[in-house]
Amino acid sequence: DSGVTQTPKHLITATGQRVTLRCSPRSGDLSVYWYQQSLDQGLQFLIQYYNGEERAKGNILERFSAQQFPDLHSELNLSSLELGDSALYFCASSVAGPVDTQYFGPGTRLTVL
Amino acid sequence: AQSVTQLGSHVSVSEGALVLLRCNYSSSVPPYLFWYVQYPNQGLQLLLKYTSAATLVKGINGFEAEFKKSETSFHLTKPSAHMSDAAEYFCAVTPRGNYQLIWGAGTKLIIKP
Repeated sequence: DSGVTQTPKHLITATGQRVTLRCSPRSGDLSVYWYQQSLDQGLQFLIQYYNGEERAKGNILERFSAQQFPDLHSELNLSSLELGDSALYFCASSVAGPVDTQYFGPGTRLTVL
Repeated sequence: AQSVTQLGSHVSVSEGALVLLRCNYSSSVPPYLFWYVQYPNQGLQLLLKYTSAATLVKGINGFEAEFKKSETSFHLTKPSAHMSDAAEYFCAVTPRGNYQLIWGAGTKLIIKP
């Protein structure tokens, strides 16, 4: 158990819909990262937050947004969903930056029908 | 742009044999380097990382990796494979001064009895 929790574990929804994925980091970690893992594109870094502020942005679509709240939990919002958004979405946390060990949650499997 | 190449999407070895998983990066300035492991239906777990201390890095579960600047490589090895090592292994880099992890495509390690 990494100490990072993600909810829900599975999500099935339809094209055009909007969903919210939630992540709680390990106690004491200030950074939260979001990743997408799909068969087509492999593991892709989406975005990083550090202590509530956006720190780095990767291959995140404009339809996707994220935030980190004062209690350090984070949410990833995916809107106008397309079939191609079906993937595993991982959240990870670390003490500060990416050189620190990142601890991964179990992931949320999103299926868009 | 920085990239990571993992040679071989699948590597098969016999139980007890040497494990060698290859990773090369493209950068004139050595980045920070990581190996992560993903067991089936689980999140990723850090095996080891190189952050410019010793070039031979020891990790968990008997794995080690050697940073070779002249070859821009960071290959992962284990002297004797165990059935429990069957998993997917990802090499990742963080360019210095950057905050995101750039991932290789992954190598599935298959252990033959």
